[in-house]
Amino acid sequence: GAVVSQHPSRVICKSGTSVKIECRSLDFQATTMFWYRQFPKQSLMLMATSNEGSKATYEQGVEKDKFLINHASLTLSTLTVTSAHPEDSSFYICRGGGEYGYTFGSGTRLTVV
Amino acid sequence: DQQVKQNSPSLSVQEGRISILNCDYTNSMFDYFLWYKKYPAEGPTFLISISSIKDKNEDGRFTVFLNKSAKHLSLHIVPSQPGDSAVYFCAASVGSRDDKIIFGKGTRLHILP
Repeated sequence: GAVVSQHPSRVICKSGTSVKIECRSLDFQATTMFWYRQFPKQSLMLMATSNEGSKATYEQGVEKDKFLINHASLTLSTLTVTSAHPEDSSFYICRGGGEYGYTFGSGTRLTVV
Repeated sequence: DQQVKQNSPSLSVQEGRISILNCDYTNSMFDYFLWYKKYPAEGPTFLISISSIKDKNEDGRFTVFLNKSAKHLSLHIVPSQPGDSAVYFCAASVGSRDDKIIFGKGTRLHILP
């Protein structure tokens, strides 16, 4: 079946630093990648949608300069949390679109200290 | 405005009995509905889906029912097993796999021995 590989699974960073999260579609081409965030005991909230080779589309209230998304190829999309703050601590998950568009990555637990 | 609602935060069911998880939606444009199972610190796992042109879809122990007039869907798990204990998310989308999926807040299912 389709697999979306997400790394790292957990990361702890200092406030003010940047963190990059990668999502790779291993056996299919993800023309679109969706990035979600989940706070404790909350729903998965869509942050942005990226299409290979073009700029990402951000949901209302999501700062595009803070959450940089790159979708340079059909198998790789990255989310960079810039100048991270403790309130950015959350669980970040990607979903690959396309033929296997209902498959999620395993998630990244980000803790900013 | 929450477009997908799961009004029961938790549900406890005896092992071997039927688990029924409910979901309501407000956006009449939704035409595809999904159920995901999620464990802590993991990505959601796709369980079952249903198109708006159907009112029932079955896959093994899982059955999803859709009542379009009531904007309501439900997931039935029978018989319930200990491994079914998890958080279940109802989700909906408009269109294809390359479209946004909007999630409910989830229902935590406890299967009691």
